[in-house]
Amino acid sequence: AQSVTQPDIHITVSEGASLELRCNYSYGATPYLFWYVQSPGQGLQLLLKYFSGDTLVQGIKGFEAEFKRSQSSFNLRKPSVHWSDAAEYFCAVGARAAGNKLTFGGGTRVLVKP
Amino acid sequence: EPEVTQTPSHQVTQMGQEVILRCVPISNHLYFYWYRQILGQKVEFLVSFYNNEISEKSEIFDDQFSVERPDGSNFTLKIRSTKLEDSAMYFCASRATQNTGELFFGEGSRLTVL
Repeated sequence: AQSVTQPDIHITVSEGASLELRCNYSYGATPYLFWYVQSPGQGLQLLLKYFSGDTLVQGIKGFEAEFKRSQSSFNLRKPSVHWSDAAEYFCAVGARAAGNKLTFGGGTRVLVKP
Repeated sequence: EPEVTQTPSHQVTQMGQEVILRCVPISNHLYFYWYRQILGQKVEFLVSFYNNEISEKSEIFDDQFSVERPDGSNFTLKIRSTKLEDSAMYFCASRATQNTGELFFGEGSRLTVL
């Protein structure tokens, strides 16, 4: 069964500072990997995804993530955080098999200090 | 840009009442999903639906839950007799293709059971 761990429940970062959110997954083969963002009271917006190819993927809003097979990780990064990046971030893993549900991590809530 | 729409945005109901949550997936999508998020917890998979039948369901999706695509555009989640622990945000999602498509999520329907 697939699973996702996001070790950091909360992260506080100063505006303009860099941000890295950790994600570790468990899956028997190469998975599909996603990062979603959820602003308060809102739905889930896709930031970026990894299916194959280049292990460094670029997403919207200046985010990027790197797939590291050896570490079973897919960490999300942003070089310079804006106040509007305050939100909850979810890493998700999807199977390449039929059905293709996503399994989500517990989320990391990001607070941005002025 | 096409989007998944959900109604109602918020519903308050008494324990034991039936609730129907409605979703209009993106029009050319073939795969449909319901997820839920209990306040402060992770996003959990409930059920996936393809070709007019359930393709996978989680342990949460017991006999009190059912899904239907009654008219080729709507995708509904019915809870027959709500319990307090059904209080959550329910997200509908759809996907265009099986293996590489991302899930597009709606804004969610918040269900409060009193």
